[in-house]
Amino acid sequence: DAKTTQPPSMDCAEGRAANLPCNHSTISGNEYVYWYRQIHSQGPQYIIHGLKNNETNEMASLIITEDRKSSTLILPHATLRDTAVYYCIVRVAVSNFGNEKLTFGTGTRLTIIP
Amino acid sequence: DVKVTQSSRYLVKRTGEKVFLECVQDMDHENMFWYRQDPGLGLRLIYFSYDVKMKEKGDIPEGYSVSREKKERFSLILESASTNQTSMYLCASSSFHPTGNYGYTFGSGTRLTVV
Repeated sequence: DAKTTQPPSMDCAEGRAANLPCNHSTISGNEYVYWYRQIHSQGPQYIIHGLKNNETNEMASLIITEDRKSSTLILPHATLRDTAVYYCIVRVAVSNFGNEKLTFGTGTRLTIIP
Repeated sequence: DVKVTQSSRYLVKRTGEKVFLECVQDMDHENMFWYRQDPGLGLRLIYFSYDVKMKEKGDIPEGYSVSREKKERFSLILESASTNQTSMYLCASSSFHPTGNYGYTFGSGTRLTVV
């Protein structure tokens, strides 16, 4: 299973872009990178995922390096409500049916500063 | 708009009790998961199921069992609760997609205290 490495904590000023890095140097060719976040006292929330191309949705952008060994989640205009723990996860397939489990690490605690 | 419902938000049980944590999802998802979350350890997978009556051990199954008699319901069972099972328990569901899963949906969690 590919492991991920994230900084334990980061701060970002409100209104600025928050860039959260993740290293996954042992990722294999068919593994996806997922990002989730967990706001205090709630269950984790899906943000975005990608394989090799950069992805964007209404919540964030995901930039994956060409060698796929690292990625960056970008929150373009951070608000106080973005304060949360952010998890970078590499998908592990458990069967030929494509069903999978996700292994969470300890994530990055992002604090948005007013 | 609630999609994954866990039966209790807070639960206090005594050591040795049999404890049932219930999870129901209304999205017709094939896959369901139970995690526990502890400070400094992140989320750890206990058990998961990708079909009715199917179950697979996760990373920390010891002391737990599960039941999936219906597609929408996945129960976590602590046969004899111990104090080291005091934790936040999170249930999640997901749907199979051949090119990549579009994400797990988590419940709000059950904070279990074993005294």
